[in-house]
Amino acid sequence: QSVLTQPPSVSAAPGRMVTISCSGTSSNIGNNYVSWYRHLPGTAPRLLIYENNKRPSGIPDRFSGSKSGTSATLGITGLQTGDEADYYCGTWDSSLSAVVFGGGTKLTVV
Amino acid sequence: EVQLVESGGGLVKPGGSLRLSCAASGFTFSNARMSWVRQAPGEGLEWVGRIKSKSDGGTTDYAAPVKGRFTISRDDSKTTLYLQMNNLNTEDTAVYYCTTDSLLTGYYTYFDYWGQGTLVTVSS
Repeated sequence: QSVLTQPPSVSAAPGRMVTISCSGTSSNIGNNYVSWYRHLPGTAPRLLIYENNKRPSGIPDRFSGSKSGTSATLGITGLQTGDEADYYCGTWDSSLSAVVFGGGTKLTVV
Repeated sequence: EVQLVESGGGLVKPGGSLRLSCAASGFTFSNARMSWVRQAPGEGLEWVGRIKSKSDGGTTDYAAPVKGRFTISRDDSKTTLYLQMNNLNTEDTAVYYCTTDSLLTGYYTYFDYWGQGTLVTVSS
């Protein structure tokens, strides 16, 4: 069972918008920055968002991140079939002195 | 271009040991904090541990499931990261990824570059 809670799956139609939630506690999300990753099985995960809402170079502005209290959200607009992947949130947990991830959310674009 | 290339994975019996390597290039390795992250079959991402740069103390942190069994080290002269895994059990079966840790900004933890991973299978 993961320390951070994500929905197991989300789906939306091409061109639409989807949000993926990530819920934690004051020990992790509440007092630390959140990052988001996209992972296709068999490939290297890719950083999408760091420090809650910043995008690395090369990540389109269709991807956005936000945080409020002990929850964070990844938003993806203009969905494409190529966005189908597993998405993970992560942050530092001050009580565990460890990085924690969510269980992952499988995005389906149908 | 940042490149991380893991090696050393394979099949090992329960109780055995294995050492993974990660050859890094394209950035100043000696200044970088580095982490290992793994993914067991059918499971999500799990942080294994990290090592800070020598200028930042060179200290290590580990996840609870591996503490006392795994050791992360680095050779800055070879720009290589290591993961020594001892007393392996079946729950350690996973793809192990080498990652840079906040290379972009150097402070708050996130994983900006990842290797392709190396598979470790623990089975009798």
